This record gives sequence, structure tokens and C-alpha cells, in this order.
Amino acid sequence: GNSVTQMEGPVTLSEEAFLTINCTYTATGYPSLFWYVQYPGEGLQLLLKATKADDKGSNKGFEATYRKETTSFHLEKGSVQVSDSAVYFCALSPMNYGGSQGNLIFGKGTKLSVKP
Amino acid sequence: KAGVTQTPRYLIKTRGQQVTLSCSPISGHRSVSWYQQTPGQGLQFLFEYFSETQRNKGNFPGRFSGRQFSNSRSEMNVSTLELGDSALYLCASSLDPGAPREYFGPGTRLLVL
Repeated sequence: GNSVTQMEGPVTLSEEAFLTINCTYTATGYPSLFWYVQYPGEGLQLLLKATKADDKGSNKGFEATYRKETTSFHLEKGSVQVSDSAVYFCALSPMNYGGSQGNLIFGKGTKLSVKP
Repeated sequence: KAGVTQTPRYLIKTRGQQVTLSCSPISGHRSVSWYQQTPGQGLQFLFEYFSETQRNKGNFPGRFSGRQFSNSRSEMNVSTLELGDSALYLCASSLDPGAPREYFGPGTRLLVL
């Protein structure tokens, strides 16, 4: 079946440190891949996405590359800020649901805390 | 323009009761999907509606149901509430089913006692 595995948190970094949050997936075909962010007390926000192999999604300094050979979509940021403190979710949308991208399968989430 | 709106924001119910949650999508968006977030199970897909029709359904019991109205607003209903239904219920909207879910509402937090 389809599944997403992401690194356990929490992750605590100092401001300006490099961030990597690992995400691997299991899926048939070519799913779309996403990173979402959830700030305390809020809903989810789409951070970035990639729809095919070797695509790189990027937004607000965050990047992730769709690696089909390693079934991975790791999130990276070169220099984190205190304002990046949040929970990050890796997700996939399978391709076998009539083209719908609403059936999202999420990882467990990784809590990031950035200290000044 | 206004974002995805969910009402109510908080609810307290007792076991055995039923509850209805509402989601108003962004203006012009016709696809609405629902998710349940719990500490144990994480985020799980409930169902998706487009043009008043359910397109997909997640692996939840029949106590969970939903519908969509002609103005694209959606409701979900949970009957015979169980303690394990305590969760944050999120909805997301998009222009159509093939578009990524960029816009989520703030959620309705349901506590079942």
C-alpha cells in the first residue's frame, strides 16, 4: 500500500543552522509529493510540492527533490530562523484515484524548534 | 479573499451523541476534502467531495459521513460518537480534484467525553 515515513522528532536547531528532514515513501506509479507546515494552533499550509521524478519544489528557502530511485523527498533549508519553528508533514497523493490529489497520505510529522 | 472557514472551532460532546461540522471553501473552489488529526494516528484522509458528489473515501467506519451543497460548502457528520473520535478535523479546498490541496481551514477541535 501507500505510505510515508519521515524522521522522528523533535528536532532542535540553533538559528542559521542547516535543516534536513528525511522523508521516504512507498507507492505504486508516480505519486505527487508534498511538504506541509503546521504552526501552533493553525491548520496546514502547503510549503512545496513536486509532481514527477527529479522535480525540485522550493518555497521560502525550503527545498525538496523528488527522487524516484531512492523513493525520497527530503526537506532542506540552508539557514533556519526562529519563525520556522513548526511541525512539518511529508505527504503523497497516489495516482490511482481518478486524478484527484485530495486523498493525501501523511507522514507522522516532525516538530522543529529553532532557538535564537 | 477569505480563506477556508470551518465552524465551529471547538466542540465538546459526550459518547453516543452525533455532531455536524461545516467547511466553507475559498470562493470559486469546488473541491473539498476532510482529514482527521489525532496524536496517535496522525493525519488521515476522510473523504473528498466535488460538485456535490463524493469522489473518494478513506478507511473510516460508516459513522462518518459527509455531503456537499450546491454552493460547495461541505458538512461532515459523525454519529454515535466514541472517545476515539476526539480529534482535530481539518478541511481543505481546491479549484478541482486534480489541484493540490494548498488551502486548509484552521480546523474544528472535537472533544468527546
